[in-house]
Amino acid sequence: QKEVEQNSGPLSVPEGAIASLNCTYSDRGSQSFFWYRQYSGKSPELIMSIYSNGDKEDGRFTAQLNKASQYVSLLIRDSQPSDSATYLCAVYSGSARQLTFGSGTQLTVLP
Amino acid sequence: EAQVTQNPRYLITVTGKKLTVTCSQNMNHEYMSWYRQDPGLGLRQIYYSMNVEVTDKGDVPEGYKVSRKEKRNFPLILESPSPNQTSLYFCASSPYTPADNYGYTFGSGTRLTVV
Repeated sequence: QKEVEQNSGPLSVPEGAIASLNCTYSDRGSQSFFWYRQYSGKSPELIMSIYSNGDKEDGRFTAQLNKASQYVSLLIRDSQPSDSATYLCAVYSGSARQLTFGSGTQLTVLP
Repeated sequence: EAQVTQNPRYLITVTGKKLTVTCSQNMNHEYMSWYRQDPGLGLRQIYYSMNVEVTDKGDVPEGYKVSRKEKRNFPLILESPSPNQTSLYFCASSPYTPADNYGYTFGSGTRLTVV
């Protein structure tokens, strides 16, 4: 069973702070990694993807990947109340040919 | 507008009555997938399709069927629904497999209740 683990939270940060969301995965052969945001009652939407070790930045979002530690994280700088949502980590395993999602971390940004 | 369209959005049905949830995408995507989302369990893959006439099981395929006769459509069929299939269902598509670092576009979801 390929597993993707996330701290379910809830995680609360004040407005303007950095929110740090973490994800670990069990399949060492995993190839691609994704972060999705899901507002309550809505469908998930893609924030960013990463496949190489290191950091990838897109606006206020930075994804970090460490394949040796089997760890991927998402940093949200200058957090806004509109960032309050559940953040889903997803990992693609080539051997299983499946995209597996973690159960998500609920983030609340306090005004 | 590029989108994945699911129908219906809400459905209440009775045990054993066959139903189909439709999914259509207008982006010429090759890869399509069905997930169900349950509290505490997250999104679990039911079936996926890498192209026309190519489908494969995900983690929770029991009680479901799919078909991919056309590139744009990927219906989910419940031949004999049971209450444990009460869930929120999402269809998703991407240009190619997620191995190529392409993310999904999700449909709006179908909330199914089986009584």
